[in-house]
Amino acid sequence: GAGVSQSPRYKVAKRGQDVALRCDPISGHVSLFWYQQALGQGPEFLTYFQNEAQLDKSGLPSDRFFAERPEGSVSTLKIQRTQQEDSAVYLCASTRAGGSSYEQYFGPGTRLTVT
Amino acid sequence: AQSVTQLDSHVSVSEGTPVLLRCNYSSSYSPSLFWYVQHPNKGLQLLLKYTSAATLVKGINGFEAEFKKSETSFHLTKPSAHMSDAAEYFCSGRNTDKLIFGTGTRLQVFP
Repeated sequence: GAGVSQSPRYKVAKRGQDVALRCDPISGHVSLFWYQQALGQGPEFLTYFQNEAQLDKSGLPSDRFFAERPEGSVSTLKIQRTQQEDSAVYLCASTRAGGSSYEQYFGPGTRLTVT
Repeated sequence: AQSVTQLDSHVSVSEGTPVLLRCNYSSSYSPSLFWYVQHPNKGLQLLLKYTSAATLVKGINGFEAEFKKSETSFHLTKPSAHMSDAAEYFCSGRNTDKLIFGTGTRLQVFP
């Protein structure tokens, strides 16, 4: 079956532009996670949804970052007024049910470059 | 809160020789620990996970890891490296519902 997909795969934005990154989780997966992976680093947690509810957004680095999952399936991570430090790979993961005892399935990521 | 530390940023081995990638964890309670592999321009793939059922965990592609509470370690091993094992490897632990990742170990395999 289809895995987690993300679009676009690559995004170049000028500093100050807004961007929207999309994640399509595996069909029927309840939980969805966003991570940020800077060059040479491990992924860092941004936010987590269970169905349409955003249960944890403690990792969002600033109020320029906003995530939504209005119908409990597709999710969008929006970054307003992008800065150079936002350059990173943004990874999305989904799990079959709530709780992290279930395996997180990762998408290929969106590589964001802010110039 | 749980944290993980990967002790080596780069490991180089020859094809056919053993692989050892080291990970230490800190946790005040019984941890859930994972190893993921990331090939270039690909997503993270789960190799194996420890959730207290057994201390020696077998994963995909011949990898295994041993949970040692006395050493707070969860090192990843493979008896014989293959060229296709060259990738970035991440140790991670669970913190409530999210994963906390180490900084990664890049494995190079030479012919």
